[in-house]
Amino acid sequence: AQTVTQSQPEMSVQEAETVTLSCTYDTSESDYYLFWYKQPPSRQMILVIRQEAYKQQNATENRFSVNFQKAAKSFSLKISDSQLGDAAMYFCAYRSTNYGGSQGNLIFGKGTKLSVKP
Amino acid sequence: SAVISQKPSRDICQRGTSLTIQCQVDSQVTMMFWYRQQPGQSLTLIATANQGSEATYESGFVIDKFPISRPNLTFSTLTVSNMSPEDSSIYLCSVESFGYGYTFGSGTRLTVV
Repeated sequence: AQTVTQSQPEMSVQEAETVTLSCTYDTSESDYYLFWYKQPPSRQMILVIRQEAYKQQNATENRFSVNFQKAAKSFSLKISDSQLGDAAMYFCAYRSTNYGGSQGNLIFGKGTKLSVKP
Repeated sequence: SAVISQKPSRDICQRGTSLTIQCQVDSQVTMMFWYRQQPGQSLTLIATANQGSEATYESGFVIDKFPISRPNLTFSTLTVSNMSPEDSSIYLCSVESFGYGYTFGSGTRLTVV
C-alpha cells in the first residue's frame, strides 16, 4: 500500500521569504500523480499544484513550485515570496493511476501547518 | 474543474441521532469520495461512491454506520448514524476532474454532544 509522509508538523516563514515543505512517499508503482493541497481555517481544500510522475519537469504555479525526485520518492513544495494568505495546513497527496474500487482516491500525508510572520 | 455544493456546513447533534450530508456536483462524475477529517488530523477516506452500485468502504468504516446514497452522477449523500462524540469531525466529499485534480466540497463540521 502507498504511504505519504510529511515530517514537518509545523513550519514558519517570514513574509516575502521562501519556505520549503517536505513530502516523501512510498509506492511500487511507476506511474502516479502527486498533489499539494492547502487548507486554510475555512477548511476548504484548495489544489496548489499537481505533478505527473512520468513528467521529469517540475511543476510550477506562480509562486509555488515543486522539487520532484522520483528515485528518492520525494516531492517537496517551495513557496516563494510568502504572503500572509499562504498561512494554512498543507497536505501532500498521492494518487494511483489504477482505477476501480477506491484506487482512484487520494492518499494524504498528515499535513504541515505553515505560519507566515508579518 | 467541477464545483461541489456541500451542506450542511456545520451542525451540532445529539448523541444517538443521525445526520445526512449532501453533495451536489455541477457536472457528471463517475466516482465520488467521502472523507473524514478528525480534529487536527489529516483526511481519511471513508468510502468511494459509484453510481448504480454499492459504495466501497475502507477498513474501519461500515455501511451500517455510514450509509451512502448515489442516486445519479451528480449527487451523493453520506449519513452518520447513531452518532457519538467520537464522530465529531469534518466530513468532506470530493470528485476528480479529469486533467485537473480533485475538487472538494466546503466540508461539514459535525459536533456531537
